Amino acid sequence: SQQGEEDPQALSIQEGENATMNCSYKTSINNLQWYRQNSGRGLVHLILIRSNEREKHSGRLRVTLDTSKKSSSLLITASRAADTASYFCATDAGSNTGKLIFGQGTTLQVKP
Amino acid sequence: GAVVSQHPSWVICKSGTSVKIECRSLDFQATTMFWYRQFPKQSLMLMATSNEGSKATYEQGVEKDKFLINHASLTLSTLTVTSAHPEDSSFYICSARQQNTGELFFGEGSRLTVL
Repeated sequence: SQQGEEDPQALSIQEGENATMNCSYKTSINNLQWYRQNSGRGLVHLILIRSNEREKHSGRLRVTLDTSKKSSSLLITASRAADTASYFCATDAGSNTGKLIFGQGTTLQVKP
Repeated sequence: GAVVSQHPSWVICKSGTSVKIECRSLDFQATTMFWYRQFPKQSLMLMATSNEGSKATYEQGVEKDKFLINHASLTLSTLTVTSAHPEDSSFYICSARQQNTGELFFGEGSRLTVL
């Protein structure tokens, strides 16, 4: 399969709690990105982390990258009901063409 | 910010007909666009890379005669699903790579339902 794996596949938490999603990939990369997708909608770019970076923050989002383990995690702190969506990681598979390989995704439900 | 528009956003057609989906970069030029397919509750699968002025590059397992891609200008790529069947029903999403910066922007997707 060209795609990596994400876990958990589904996550349900209460508002205010933190949500952690993990992503593993198979090839070398230049960067890894996280996207969000509301049901039936397009993708929203959340954050990009380069292969020489280990951690990056953006608002309530924290992304880590471990290239030795070929894995990344996305942490959403103080979750809100509006964070309910599917979250996907995507890698460039080491190319600079713009082609992205997506993970399987995690469906997050935040209960009010 | 840069905007990529897909049209139509949803379409219903009869089995055997062909459907064209447009992906248009509204305020930037894109020499490369990408087409993805997403089945319900699944991830995005890359179908093909659309190159302006040349033939598209298809991923393994994607039938190029079934999914015709035309990238006739720096702002428009089209995907035509020929002789559509119910199993072609899916969400089709495009992305466009900005020529100058290399940034990627995604369209809102087009939902195809084949009856």
